[in-house]
Amino acid sequence: GAGVSQSPRYKVAKRGQDVALRCDPISGHVSLFWYQQALGQGPEFLTYFQNEAQLDKSGLPSDRFFAERPEGSVSTLKIQRTQQEDSAVYLCASSLWGAGNTIYFGEGSWLTVV
Amino acid sequence: TQLLEQSPQFLSIQEGENLTVYCNSSSVFSSLQWYRQEPGEGPVLLVTVVTGGEVKKLKRLTFQFGDARKDSSLHITAAQTGDTGLYLCAGRLGANNLFFGTGTRLTVIP
Repeated sequence: GAGVSQSPRYKVAKRGQDVALRCDPISGHVSLFWYQQALGQGPEFLTYFQNEAQLDKSGLPSDRFFAERPEGSVSTLKIQRTQQEDSAVYLCASSLWGAGNTIYFGEGSWLTVV
Repeated sequence: TQLLEQSPQFLSIQEGENLTVYCNSSSVFSSLQWYRQEPGEGPVLLVTVVTGGEVKKLKRLTFQFGDARKDSSLHITAAQTGDTGLYLCAGRLGANNLFFGTGTRLTVIP
């Protein structure tokens, strides 16, 4: 597609459930970023991939959060045993290479944990 | 924890007024970007500033990067209702790390 595509757009999960959020970056983009955005706040960095390699996962808030990009294109962010504080918009972004090139964001996946 | 603090957090002004949004940090950034985010959408890049002291203009928007590359400002002249949105600054540390500010929610009233 022409832009970064994320699914699902909206997800309601019961506390304790596992969720998987998918990101389809712009074709040919080497770099892929995941951010978490709480309501009314700026996005907070979670993790960064260069092709299939996860080069930085310093922003993942706990070991319940896991991200992968096995073939260097589509990425999945998995949250295990969801908690209410995980409720946020999860933004995926991609760029040709690194943060020095223009980063294009998807519309986000809105997660509500009840 | 966010490295960049923006002020004000909320701003509501009348159409035609001028405004300035500030983005401050104690960290030195290799570049700084400004984004605008509409409800239900991802942030969209407005501008990138790279050199300390650099000023860039985009129609009615003027962006400035501080001399020490730790802070930036966004000035909007004669605000329009279409300027309403969440404005985010973001600083680049290293090749791959882009850290966002706390955000300024602007509402322009007709």
